[in-house]
Amino acid sequence: KAGVTQTPRYLIKTRGQQVTLSCSPISGHRSVSWYQQTPGQGLQFLFEYFSETQRNKGNFPGRFSGRQFSNSRSEMNVSTLELGDSALYLCASSLGLAGGAGELFFGEGSRLTVL
Amino acid sequence: GQSLEQPSEVTAVEGAIVQINCTYQTSGFYGLSWYQQHDGGAPTFLSYNALDGLEETGRFSSFLSRSDSYGYLLLQELQMKDSASYFCAVAAGNTPLVFGKGTRLSVIA
Repeated sequence: KAGVTQTPRYLIKTRGQQVTLSCSPISGHRSVSWYQQTPGQGLQFLFEYFSETQRNKGNFPGRFSGRQFSNSRSEMNVSTLELGDSALYLCASSLGLAGGAGELFFGEGSRLTVL
Repeated sequence: GQSLEQPSEVTAVEGAIVQINCTYQTSGFYGLSWYQQHDGGAPTFLSYNALDGLEETGRFSSFLSRSDSYGYLLLQELQMKDSASYFCAVAAGNTPLVFGKGTRLSVIA
């Protein structure tokens, strides 16, 4: 069974640009969550999608957005990039809502560097 | 809101036992999870405790005390490959998993 797949794995952007990251969850998983990971800050929750609906949103500015498609694949977009957006963006999938059973399956992440 | 506290770094000797503590503050608590993340890798699920007590899975065990809002991860017979970051995470209410900032474990010879 294939795991969670995130693309691209690495990317470099400049301030002011926008970026779109993609996540394909494990087959059959309907919940996709996104987290931002920076050194020393752990994993900060961005959004959670379930059956194409955003169920939860973290405390991030409106420049961060996402969506989920009917096949459960998800994308997140960051517009008007800032230096502080440099981070590892992790996608995780689960069968039901992420908080329910405590088990998330993470992808390898997309490492974004903003210059 | 929710908050979790865990030590930032722990160092232990190969073959020894190490305990990583986690205290949390939350409402509508469901359970406490633990994840392992090697440098450059994805976080991987280790355990989930919804009830008080100790859960054992091989060399790893996890403990929860709901009344004390406290849990820990116990790693026995430490191996060099156990060097990684360990995160506790709280499941509560209708909110997504909230993670602690992680404990970096260094296993030395």
